[in-house]
Amino acid sequence: QVQLQESGPGLVKPSGTLSLTCDVSGGSISTNNWWSWVRQPPGKGLEWIGEIFHGGSTNYNPSLKSRVTISVDTSKNQFSLKLNSVTAADTAMYYCAKDGGVNWGQGTLVTVSS
Amino acid sequence: DIVMTQSPDSLAVSLGERATINCKSSQSVLYTSSNKNYLAWYQQKPGQPPKLLIYWASIRESGVPDRFSGSGSGTDFTLTISSLQAEDVAVYYCQQYYSTRTFGQGTKVEIK
Repeated sequence: QVQLQESGPGLVKPSGTLSLTCDVSGGSISTNNWWSWVRQPPGKGLEWIGEIFHGGSTNYNPSLKSRVTISVDTSKNQFSLKLNSVTAADTAMYYCAKDGGVNWGQGTLVTVSS
Repeated sequence: DIVMTQSPDSLAVSLGERATINCKSSQSVLYTSSNKNYLAWYQQKPGQPPKLLIYWASIRESGVPDRFSGSGSGTDFTLTISSLQAEDVAVYYCQQYYSTRTFGQGTKVEIK
């Protein structure tokens, strides 16, 4: 059973860059799967951010595409999220997931505040 | 984008009774060549990540109780909990994966 674990700063300043990493254990990231990022603002619903295949192909939510970069490091068995020009509206629990939701990390809360 | 709309936003059901959640997509999520609907259902309990219940619109994930069932095709889908248990109190989301991925807004299920 694949396990995922998010890590990164819990506090980001407005206009800064949110950077998170998802470590994959219990299996290789270089499989025929997509690796996703999903976020959930406090008290609200789920929003799919984007996904990456181990070869580097990506798909992004059109509403976030201009600010998002997802990358993969197969040597470390991890993938990463960068979200630029953040505002308070980007405050959320950020989850990484396999294939959009087959397996999930526990999530990490990121707050955007000065 | 494919927009997913769930109804109702919340519902209260007595223990042992049936709960029905609907999900409508703005365009078909049926891939005709494979005859598969690219639609999944998730359950999220407070303080936990979502959990996959159903994929391909009607296939239960391993370990999911058989009181959960999914049905529908094309643009209209339903998640049914045949006999609501206390542990089923949660928010339920549909998700399409036909064209990238989008979630519905969620349906909160409570005990009446």
